[in-house]
Amino acid sequence: LAKTTQPISMDSYEGQEVNITCSHNNIATNDYITWYQQFPSQGPRFIIQGYKTKVTNEVASLFIPADRKSSTLSLPRVSLSDTAVYYCLVGGPNSGNTPLVFGKGTRLSVIA
Amino acid sequence: DTAVSQTPKYLVTQMGNDKSIKCEQNLGHDTMYWYKQDSKKFLKIMFSYNNKELIINETVPNRFSPKSPDKAHLNLHINSLELGDSAVYFCASSQVFGGSGTGELFFGEGSRLTVL
Repeated sequence: LAKTTQPISMDSYEGQEVNITCSHNNIATNDYITWYQQFPSQGPRFIIQGYKTKVTNEVASLFIPADRKSSTLSLPRVSLSDTAVYYCLVGGPNSGNTPLVFGKGTRLSVIA
Repeated sequence: DTAVSQTPKYLVTQMGNDKSIKCEQNLGHDTMYWYKQDSKKFLKIMFSYNNKELIINETVPNRFSPKSPDKAHLNLHINSLELGDSAVYFCASSQVFGGSGTGELFFGEGSRLTVL
C-alpha cells in the first residue's frame, strides 16, 4: 500500500505562493497522484491529479519529478479562503494501491 | 443540483439506538463509498460499492451495514450505537473505482453523528 508523508501544517501570508510536498517512495508504475482540499465542515474536494512532470489547472499546479517518489502541490498567490487541509493520495487501477486512503493531510493556514 | 447529497446533515441520538444515513448521487457514477472522519480529523474509508456490489469493507464492526438499492444510492445503517461512533460520515462517488486516472472522488457535505 503506497504510503504518503506530508507536513502536518504550514502557515503562509496572503498573496504568497505555497508549495506542499508529499513523499510517496513506494509509488507503483500504474499509480496516479491526486490532491484534495477540505474546508471545515465540508467534504474533500478534488484539486488536481497527475502522473508525471507538470499538471496545471485553474486552481493549482502539480509538479512530479522523474522518479515520481514525491510531488509538490503549488498554490499561486493564496488568499484567506485557501485555508484548508490538503491531502495527497497515491494509487491507480490494477496497481494494488488504492487511491482511497487519506493520510493526515497538511493543514494550511493563510494569514492576512 | 447537489451532486452527492446526504441526509440528515446532523443526527443526535442516545447510545444503543439504531440510525440510518442516506446518500444519493446524481452523477451517474458506478461506485459509491462511505468514509468516517473522527474528532482527530482522520478520514478513513469504511465501505465501497461498485454497481450495487460490495467491494471494500475496511474492518468495520458488523453493527454498520451499508445497503445499495441501486447505483445512485448507498445508505448506511448503524445498530446499537456507541459513543465511539460519534463522527462525521461522508458519502462519496466516483466514475471509476478508486477515482484515479480518469476520474476523482466526489464527496457529500457530511453527516455529523453525535451519540450521547
